This record gives sequence, C-alpha cells and structure tokens, in this order.
Amino acid sequence: EVQLVESGGGLIKPGGSLRLSCAVSGFTFTNGWMSWVRQAPGKGLEWVGLIKAKNDGGTTHYAAPVKDRFSISRDDSKNTLYLQMNSLKSEDTAVYYCTIGFWNGRNWGQGTLVTVSS
Amino acid sequence: QSALTQPPSASGSPGQSVTISCTGTSSDVGGYNYVSWYQQHPGKAPKLMIYEVSKRPSGVPDRFSGSKSGNTASLTVSGLQAEDEADYYCSSYAGINNLVFGIGTKVTVL
Repeated sequence: EVQLVESGGGLIKPGGSLRLSCAVSGFTFTNGWMSWVRQAPGKGLEWVGLIKAKNDGGTTHYAAPVKDRFSISRDDSKNTLYLQMNSLKSEDTAVYYCTIGFWNGRNWGQGTLVTVSS
Repeated sequence: QSALTQPPSASGSPGQSVTISCTGTSSDVGGYNYVSWYQQHPGKAPKLMIYEVSKRPSGVPDRFSGSKSGNTASLTVSGLQAEDEADYYCSSYAGINNLVFGIGTKVTVL
C-alpha cells in the first residue's frame, strides 16, 4: 500500500522559515515525480511545485507565488520529499499536501497545516 | 496563471447525473490532454478520479467519466450516490512545467 506522511507544519511568524517533509512508502520513490499542493483554509487547491525523478533530470519547478522563496528537494535514500519555505507570508497559510505525480496526482498524504501569523 | 473556471455548485437527486464544467484557455485545457479531476470530502485529502481527460484509475467507479471539447473539460457523475457529495476540482497542465487547478465545485446530492 502506498503511503505518504507529511510532517513539519506549525505556527510560524511572517518572514520565518519552515521545512516540511513527506515520507513515502510502498512506492519506488526513486522513479517518481513528486509535487506539493496547498489549500488555504476554506479555499481551493493550489499547485506549489514539482521535482522530477533524477532519471528525468531531477529538475524543480515552482508556481509563481512561491518561486524564489520555496525550494523542493528529495532524498531518494530516505524515500523522503522536502519543501523548504522561506520568507513566509500570511498568504502561505494552508494545508500542504505531497503527492506522487504531476498532472495526475495518484496518491496524496493527509496534509500538514502551516499557519503564518504574528 | 489564472485558476480554471468551474461552477461553484451543482446538485442532483440520487440516481440522476450531474456534469461539472472546467473552462480554461488554449494554453492549458485546450492545449493539452492532461486534465485531471479530484474528489475531496471535508477534512480529507483529494482523490484522483479522472486523469488525461477521460482515464479512470483502478478502483474508481465507471459512474465517473470525463471528456473535453476545446477549452472546456467536463466531469459527469452518473447514478448519483450519497457518497458522491463532495468538492470536485479539475486541474490541467499549463505548459513549461506548470499546473493549474480549478476553483472547485461543491456537489450536493439532494
């Protein structure tokens, strides 16, 4: 069974930094393109970014609102995906989900809540 | 990149069909056959229901079907059941490694 477990969320002040993790099991993580998607309270889904498999270049790509502030990385030896979030703003408050895939997110974690507030 | 347009709500009685539209542009929905649909129940993670316009992942009932015409994609739920009441989101590849979601549609089973 494929499982994704996000962690690292919490309350952070504006301008602060936070790193989210997503531990993946039951799936050949090395071959997978991985994405982060967020959902502000009471709002819709918003794509955050993508990291391709190393075999496909391992490149990262970001949505405009987070580009230059967020960074996605992966540790294939630990089957873990990361989202480094810097210069956080109140509008970054959301549940952050990791998902396997890009345009077809087949498996999702339960999400981790990030609250940016003073 | 602007969010794809979906109706805020849709409804139907048990056993009926409901169709949700997802309108974009030639730079996203109209330009690629990479449209997906997700179902999300309150407090839960999204679940993939349709990918690449009309393909169903294993385990998704064939009551769910997808299609596309021009810049508009559609999700049809036939034989509505109580458990189909949820929020539904479309998404589309938007070129240059970019993805855009729809604003979401709340489906109510009357």
